[in-house]
Amino acid sequence: ETGVTQSPTHLIKTRGQQVTLRCSSQSGHNTVSWYQQALGQGPQFIFQYYREEENGRGNFPPRFSGLQFPNYSSELNVNALELDDSALYLCASSPGPQGEGYGYTFGSGTRLTVV
Amino acid sequence: KQEVTQIPAALSVPEGENLVLNCSFTDSAIYNLQWFRQDPGKGLTSLLLIQSSQREQTSGRLNASLDKSSGRSTLYIAASQPGDSATYLCAVRGMDSNYQLIWGAGTKLIIKP
Repeated sequence: ETGVTQSPTHLIKTRGQQVTLRCSSQSGHNTVSWYQQALGQGPQFIFQYYREEENGRGNFPPRFSGLQFPNYSSELNVNALELDDSALYLCASSPGPQGEGYGYTFGSGTRLTVV
Repeated sequence: KQEVTQIPAALSVPEGENLVLNCSFTDSAIYNLQWFRQDPGKGLTSLLLIQSSQREQTSGRLNASLDKSSGRSTLYIAASQPGDSATYLCAVRGMDSNYQLIWGAGTKLIIKP
């Protein structure tokens, strides 16, 4: 059973550019969530996908968007990058959506630096 | 609005000691609480998941308790080792939290050899 894998592990982008981060969920998991973690802080929820549909979103602007594919892998896209977008981006998968009591399995994250 | 607090923010103890990390939350309407470990610059490793109907969970030297009515959880680490050094985060999955986990800021733990 494979865990959650994220790519790339590190990325440097210039302000104003666009970036796509990728995540492969754990086998058997149909729910994927994305989190942003700034240095020294707890993660902040960006959004969640369940069976290819977004079913929850945190307080992030529309330039943060995502996709979930039929194999339950996922992408996080960020447009018009700002310096404050520099953070560790974490992907997590779960066997089911909210309300079913499942825990989350996290990937190792993508460290994004915006210069 | 659910808020999660972890105290202390940092803790340094000698190897071999037993220790307790604390997590408190303001809204008792939760599905579960999960403890994670994070090594510097790395992702999150799940340690223990406690459902709202449970009082505690154990895994090896780790024991996590949950008192939903008082909004508290503790992570007990027995016989600490230098390899336990990491940041420990707790997260609650609330019933009205838009599917998200609500996180504490973590406790940075250093075990001195």
